[in-house]
Amino acid sequence: DAGVTQSPTHLIKTRGQQVTLRCSPKSGHDTVSWYQQALGQGPQFIFQYYEEEERQRGNFPDRFSGHQFPNYSSELNVNALLLGDSALYLCASAGEGGVRTEAFFGQGTRLTVV
Amino acid sequence: AQSVSQHNHHVILSEAASLELGCNYSYGGTVNLFWYVQYPGQHLQLLLKYFSGDPLVKGIKGFEAEFIKSKFSFNLRKPSVQWSDTAEYFCAGNQAGTALIFGKGTTLSVSS
Repeated sequence: DAGVTQSPTHLIKTRGQQVTLRCSPKSGHDTVSWYQQALGQGPQFIFQYYEEEERQRGNFPDRFSGHQFPNYSSELNVNALLLGDSALYLCASAGEGGVRTEAFFGQGTRLTVV
Repeated sequence: AQSVSQHNHHVILSEAASLELGCNYSYGGTVNLFWYVQYPGQHLQLLLKYFSGDPLVKGIKGFEAEFIKSKFSFNLRKPSVQWSDTAEYFCAGNQAGTALIFGKGTTLSVSS
């Protein structure tokens, strides 16, 4: 059973560019959340998708947007990249709407903005 | 605002020493609590979870945690650490259907 898979694993972008990160949830999971983890910090919540809708959003600017597809996979888009966007981006999935289940995490995408 | 805080930023222990990592949460109402571990170069893995019931929760690899509602705490314990326990430990919490809020993490270094 494949767990949460993210692509790509590493990415280097130039300031001002746009980036799309992808996530396939664990089989049977319907809820996808995205987190940003800066070096030496805990993951910071970006947003959560459930039933193809953004259900909850953290304290991130509108440059961060996302999407969830009918097969529950998800994308994270970041526009107008800043140097400060360099981080590990984590995707987490949960089943049953995430109501009373734990989240499973992918390996993450390491984004470097130069 | 909801928050999770971890008291220890970096803990250094010798093998066989006992471990306790502190975690406090700030939530109104029912809360779910978790401890995740991140080994070097690996993804976040769940160590243990608390939803309700017995406040003493046992997880993988000999770890346990105790939910103390009156103290808003969920401390992680292990009676005897091993070198392989060297990792980053994160406490996290949420309420039904909402996203996890993480603490800043504790780096555990175990020397053999």
